[in-house]
Amino acid sequence: ETGVTQSPTHLIKTRGQQVTLRCSSQSGHNTVSWYQQALGQGPQFIFQYYREEENGRGNFPPRFSGLQFPNYSSELNVNALELDDSALYLCASSWRAGADNEQFFGPGTRLTVL
Amino acid sequence: DQQVKQNSPSLSVQEGRISILNCDYTNSMFDYFLWYKKYPAEGPTFLISISSIKDKNEDGRFTVFLNKSAKHLSLHIVPSQPGDSAVYFCAASALGDTDKLIFGTGTRLQVFP
Repeated sequence: ETGVTQSPTHLIKTRGQQVTLRCSSQSGHNTVSWYQQALGQGPQFIFQYYREEENGRGNFPPRFSGLQFPNYSSELNVNALELDDSALYLCASSWRAGADNEQFFGPGTRLTVL
Repeated sequence: DQQVKQNSPSLSVQEGRISILNCDYTNSMFDYFLWYKKYPAEGPTFLISISSIKDKNEDGRFTVFLNKSAKHLSLHIVPSQPGDSAVYFCAASALGDTDKLIFGTGTRLQVFP
């Protein structure tokens, strides 16, 4: 059974650019959640996708957007990057929506915005 | 507005002793609580959870206690092992908003021989 994978591992962008981060969910999982973890902070919920539909969103601006594909993999897109977007971006998958289902996290993508 | 607080950034415990990690929350709508463990360069790993209808849940060396009136939960690790050295995050979700996990800032546990 393959766990949650994320790509790329590290990424460096400049302010104003756009970035796409990718996540492959664990086999059998149909829900993907994205989190932003700034240095010294806990992960902050960005949004969740369940069966290709957005299923909840945190306090992030619209320039943070996402997609989920029929194979349940997912993308996180961030437009007009700002310096404060520098963080570890974590993807988590679960087999159905709802926090009482264990979320399995990937290793994250470290984004640096210069 | 930090709804889930872990006021101890770090904790150092001798191997074999008990580790107690604490977490406080402010949102009375939270009804499900989880603990995650995170090693460097890895994603958080689910450890144990508790529903608000319970006050204790146990899984091997790990026990989580919930005090709803005090809006406080704690994770006990007995006995502590060097492999337990990691950052521990407390997380919560609210009734009707179960998709969103609200995390604390984490406590770094170091278990020394």
